[in-house]
Amino acid sequence: ILNVEQSPQSLHVQEGDSTNFTCSFPSSNFYALHWYRWETAKSPEALFVMTLNGDEKKKGRISATLNTKEGYSYLYIKGSQPEDSATYLCSYNQGGKLIFGQGTELSVKP
Amino acid sequence: DSGVTQTPKHLITATGQRVTLRCSPRSGDLSVYWYQQSLDQGLQFLIQYYNGEERAKGNILERFSAQQFPDLHSELNLSSLELGDSALYFCASSVVSTSGGITDTQYFGPGTRLTVL
Repeated sequence: ILNVEQSPQSLHVQEGDSTNFTCSFPSSNFYALHWYRWETAKSPEALFVMTLNGDEKKKGRISATLNTKEGYSYLYIKGSQPEDSATYLCSYNQGGKLIFGQGTELSVKP
Repeated sequence: DSGVTQTPKHLITATGQRVTLRCSPRSGDLSVYWYQQSLDQGLQFLIQYYNGEERAKGNILERFSAQQFPDLHSELNLSSLELGDSALYFCASSVVSTSGGITDTQYFGPGTRLTVL
């Protein structure tokens, strides 16, 4: 049974803190992993698509790494800002079928 | 604004009824995906269409069906509605590259909130 797990479920940090969260996925038959940012009352917004073991992607203060052999990806936010408050979702693509994690809800206090 | 439009924004209906949700993809995108987000569950992939043909199927109930038309807009039909079908339904679109869509960025619409009473 496919399962994508994200941890922690929620995270509360102060402005300026750096933070990271984990997405775990089945390591067999890996195709791609997607990270999304989902703000309340909005729709999910794509951050990264990752395909190769050892991939590292960066977008401003947000970066992500991928380990397909052990089945995990990390998302890092450097110097968190209140506008980073959102739910961060990862999605594992196994040959077309997309499985989403439950997300990590990040709250950044000023 | 992602460029993906969904109508209606809100829909309230009764159990046993049938509804149709509509999605227009971004200009140039050939693939459309449907997702359901219930209160007690995360985002669930329902189905993907590419250029009018079904490409991949997720946890879509038999009471639900979808299609993609020649102008590439898509409709999700939900019938014999139950209370548990109340959810936020998202449509997303992507340009399908040589990977068949697997590595393509998906752009999400604003969603349709369905309430079944």
